[in-house]
Order: sequence, then C-alpha cells, then structure tokens
Amino acid sequence: EIVMTQSPATLSVSPGERATLSCRASLGVSGYLAWYQQKPGQAPRLLIYGASTRATGIPARFSGSGSGTEFTLTISSLQSEDFAVYYCQQYNRWPLNFGGGTKVEIK
Amino acid sequence: EVRLVEFGGGLVQPGGSLRLSCAASGFTFSDYAMSWVRQAPGKGLEWVSTATANGDITTFADAVKGRFTISRDNSVNTLYLQMTSLRTEDTAVYYCAKRSTAVNGHFEYWGQGTLVTVSS
Repeated sequence: EIVMTQSPATLSVSPGERATLSCRASLGVSGYLAWYQQKPGQAPRLLIYGASTRATGIPARFSGSGSGTEFTLTISSLQSEDFAVYYCQQYNRWPLNFGGGTKVEIK
Repeated sequence: EVRLVEFGGGLVQPGGSLRLSCAASGFTFSDYAMSWVRQAPGKGLEWVSTATANGDITTFADAVKGRFTISRDNSVNTLYLQMTSLRTEDTAVYYCAKRSTAVNGHFEYWGQGTLVTVSS
C-alpha cells in the first residue's frame, strides 16, 4: 500500500501571495498523481492530473510538479476563491490512496 | 456537461444494509471506469471501490471488502453500491466519481454526494 503524506496540514497565506503545498508518496507513483480542491459543503474538484497537467477550466495560477515520490502544488497568487482544502492522490496502484489534505486559510 | 447524481443515502442501524445509486449523464457511461469515494464527517477522502467500464473487474478498499458490492448497469447509465453489515465507521458522505479511462485513471468528475449515517 502506498501512503500519501501531505504537508503542511494548514497553510496560512495572504491573498495575492504564493502557496506551495507538498505531497510525498511512500513508494514511487511515476506521474500518476492528481490534486483536488474541496471547499466546505462541496464535492472535490479535479485540479491537476499526471502530476502537472491542469484539468479543464483550471486557472493557470495552479501548477503541479514532481515525479516519483515528491510532488508539489503551487498557487502563484492566491485569490479569495482558492481558500480551501487540497488533497493529493496516487492512481499508480491499488488501493488508490489520498493524502490527509492541506487546508489553505486566510492569514 | 458531465453530471453525476447520487441517491439512496439515509439513516441505517448497525448491521443493516443500504444501496446507493449514481445516475450519470453527459458522457458515454460504458466507456469509463467509475468509483465510489467517501468522506467521514470532518475527515479526509477515502477511496471505497471501483468498477471498470464493462464491470468485469471490481476492486475494494480493505475496510469494505466482503461487505460492499459495486455494480453498474450500462443500459441505464447507473452505478450502484450495495452496502451490507454496516458499521458506525461507515458513516460518511459517499461520492460517485467518473474515472478518466476504462480501467483506472484519476477522478475526473464528482457527484455532490449522499450522506449515509449508521447509528442506533
């Protein structure tokens, strides 16, 4: 089983600042890594797949990078609508584990 | 527009059963794997089960293996999750999710979820 670990658990950022979220896999997942955004009371939404490809309709301020076991989601300039919880997830092998999430809150 | 609508959630006693349904539209349902993902109150996301596009391969998280069954009816574009021997720890919002390929892939689209509460 591949364990996904996200850090930090909470990130306090001011609007307009850059946010960097980390995700580590206990085993290599190649590029089979996705990022999701979830706002309170809403379903998750796909942001990034294949470690670095933005999903349809996702703004360019969201970018993903990494390979193997270390991955990063960067939000270049935080907008008010970006304050949410972010999850990484590997789909290289079963079970399809998610990380514990990073909450991005207003500083 | 892809649309996934879950229903069938509710309150059930421990040891009871419940069947969830997910009605899909806006894409060729029979071409894609489908999954269930759940989220306990205040907790993170947990993958539950996946059925491949034609339903011939199904996989389950260890926490539900032997108690939950996933199936799909491609003629009516609907995914199901039959849950038996329910436990209090199965309490969660259950999301239906479209995968990006016929077998695996990322979770491309999500429904709004249906709440299952297991309590006496």
